[in-house]
Amino acid sequence: KQEVTQIPAALSVPEGENLVLNCSFTDSAIYNLQWFRQDPGKGLTSLLLIQSSQREQTSGRLNASLDKSSGRSTLYIAASQPGDSATYLCAVTGGGGSNYKLTFGKGTLLTVNP
Amino acid sequence: ETGVTQTPRHLVMGMTNKKSLKCEQHLGHNAMYWYKQSAKKPLELMFVYSLEERVENNSVPSRFSPECPNSSHLFLHLHTLQPEDSALYLCASSQLDGSYTDTQYFGPGTRLTVL
Repeated sequence: KQEVTQIPAALSVPEGENLVLNCSFTDSAIYNLQWFRQDPGKGLTSLLLIQSSQREQTSGRLNASLDKSSGRSTLYIAASQPGDSATYLCAVTGGGGSNYKLTFGKGTLLTVNP
Repeated sequence: ETGVTQTPRHLVMGMTNKKSLKCEQHLGHNAMYWYKQSAKKPLELMFVYSLEERVENNSVPSRFSPECPNSSHLFLHLHTLQPEDSALYLCASSQLDGSYTDTQYFGPGTRLTVL
């Protein structure tokens, strides 16, 4: 059974700092890995999707890396801003046969202080 | 806006009530999902519908009954719920085309409280 762990559970940083969020998964037979953002009282927004054959994806100030063999991914946020404050969720597809079933971590609650 | 809407946004119900959650997607997708998000637990997949056919039922109690009348609408019928069913219920949709780049688009969720 696939399990996803995210560290740390919560993180508070001053504005402008670069930061790294960590995600690990137990079954490396994944199809892809995604990072989502969830704002309070709202649904999830997909930030980046990395296919199993890829090593990283970038979007603006965000960079996600994937080391499939070791079961790890990181989300790097450069020059953090108060608007980045949210819960960040890591999810993997696969490790169980289906190409649609997402297994989520519990998330990292990020607070960026002005 | 992600193109997935959910109503109601908040719902308070007693254990003997019957209510329904509604989800609608305006993205032309062929798959829809129900998730449960409880405090301090990861999102849990409950049901998956592909082309209006249920393809996954993730050991969900029968007091939750899904319905997918067409590819744009998904319902979750609730009856005789328990207080531990209080959670955020999220709907999502995606286009399943056999690739591994499908991403799911989530609605804002319904915050359910069972008294």
